[in-house]
Amino acid sequence: GAGVSQTPSNKVTEKGKYVELRCDPISGHTALYWYRQSLGQGPEFLIYFQGTGAADDSGLPNDRFFAVRPEGSVSTLKIQRTERGDSAMYLCASSLHTDTGELFFGEGSRLTVL
Amino acid sequence: SQELEQSPQSLIVQEGKNLTINCTSSKTLYGLYWYKQKYGEGLIFLMMLQKGGEEKSHEKITAKLDEKKQQSSLHITASQPSHAGIYLCGADKDSGGSNYKLTFGKGTLLTVNP
Repeated sequence: GAGVSQTPSNKVTEKGKYVELRCDPISGHTALYWYRQSLGQGPEFLIYFQGTGAADDSGLPNDRFFAVRPEGSVSTLKIQRTERGDSAMYLCASSLHTDTGELFFGEGSRLTVL
Repeated sequence: SQELEQSPQSLIVQEGKNLTINCTSSKTLYGLYWYKQKYGEGLIFLMMLQKGGEEKSHEKITAKLDEKKQQSSLHITASQPSHAGIYLCGADKDSGGSNYKLTFGKGTLLTVNP
C-alpha cells in the first residue's frame, strides 16, 4: 500500500501481558514517529526515529515502553507488563524530512488493557 | 509546558455555512500545524504556519497565525459533509522547531448536516 500501515488495528490484552505494535512506514521515508492518543485527547509524542536510531525518545512514559527500527523501515513498539492506563490509540507516522511539518499518519492500533 | 486550547470543543453546522475554529497557545508558537482526523483513523495534514501574520489556504479551508504567534484560526467556507471530522491543532514542543515533537490540542469535533 501507499500509506503508513499499522498492525494490529485492534488489540485486547490482559493487565500484565506483553504487547507489540507494528508500523510499516511509507517507502523511502527515513523519519518515523510514534504517538499515543487517549480518548478525547490530542496525540502525545512518544518517540522519533531517524533511520535505525531513536533520535528522540523523551516522550516514552516509562521503561515499560520500548521501540525498535532495526533496518530503518518497519518499527515495533513494545509494551511490557501492560497496565489499564496504557489503553489508547497508538499512532505511527512517517515523513521524508523533518522540516516540512507534514507527518503521514497510519490509522492506528487501538490497545485495550483489561 | 506548552498547552493548546481549542474552541469550540464541538460544532454542528448546516451544509453551506461558514465556520471558524480557534487554537490558543499558552506560549509563543514556533510552528503551528492543523490536522484533520476522521473517527477511528489517522491524522491528515492540512497546513503548517510559522510566521506571524501568515495565512494559508487549501481548497475551502484557510488558516491564519496571528502576529503575536499565540493564536491560530481555521476557517471553512461553504462547509460540506466531507469537512466533518475532528480538527486538531499542533505546535512544536521545543522552541527550536523540531517539526515532529508536537503537542496537540484536544480537538474540535465538526459535524456538517446536509
